[in-house]
Amino acid sequence: KAGVTQTPRYLIKTRGQQVTLSCSPISGHRSVSWYQQTPGQGLQFLFEYFSETQRNKGNFPGRFSGRQFSNSRSEMNVSTLELGDSALYLCASSSGLADSYEQYFGPGTRLTVT
Amino acid sequence: GQSLEQPSEVTAVEGAIVQINCTYQTSGFYGLSWYQQHDGGAPTFLSYNALDGLEETGRFSSFLSRSDSYGYLLLQELQMKDSASYFCAVRMEDTDKLIFGTGTRLQVFP
Repeated sequence: KAGVTQTPRYLIKTRGQQVTLSCSPISGHRSVSWYQQTPGQGLQFLFEYFSETQRNKGNFPGRFSGRQFSNSRSEMNVSTLELGDSALYLCASSSGLADSYEQYFGPGTRLTVT
Repeated sequence: GQSLEQPSEVTAVEGAIVQINCTYQTSGFYGLSWYQQHDGGAPTFLSYNALDGLEETGRFSSFLSRSDSYGYLLLQELQMKDSASYFCAVRMEDTDKLIFGTGTRLQVFP
């Protein structure tokens, strides 16, 4: 079964711009979570979507938003980019069921803000 | 707050055994997971402890003690390919959020 895919893999943007990242989960998975990974802060939870609804949200400013489509594909958007938003953005899919504990990560999108 | 602390770096030689600890200051979580991440790669799931005790999966074992607020990942018969970062993680019962530890970089030398 195909794994989690993320596009694009690399992105360079300028401060003030906005960016949209895409994630396609494993077929049959209904939950998609997004994480920001930086050397200083480690893996930080952004939000989780399940069946097109945001089920959980981390402690990030409102510039970070996301959505999920009926086919479970998810997008996250960052508006008014700041230098500190440079990071690896990872998405992970899971079944989303109460007893599920394993998350399957995509390769990530490396965002560089200049 | 919720935090999971890990040593930042561990080094070992091929064939050795290494233990990566995860101490936490949180309660009310479903279980403790471990993930491996090679440089430039995505985290991959290694193991899960729902209950206290030891779980063994091949060369890797994971342990959880809720009463002592800690867990560990034990890697045996180390191989060069085990050089990677290792993260512990818990899913909180109240928020259902997955919280990751600070991560441990393991370097295996020949």
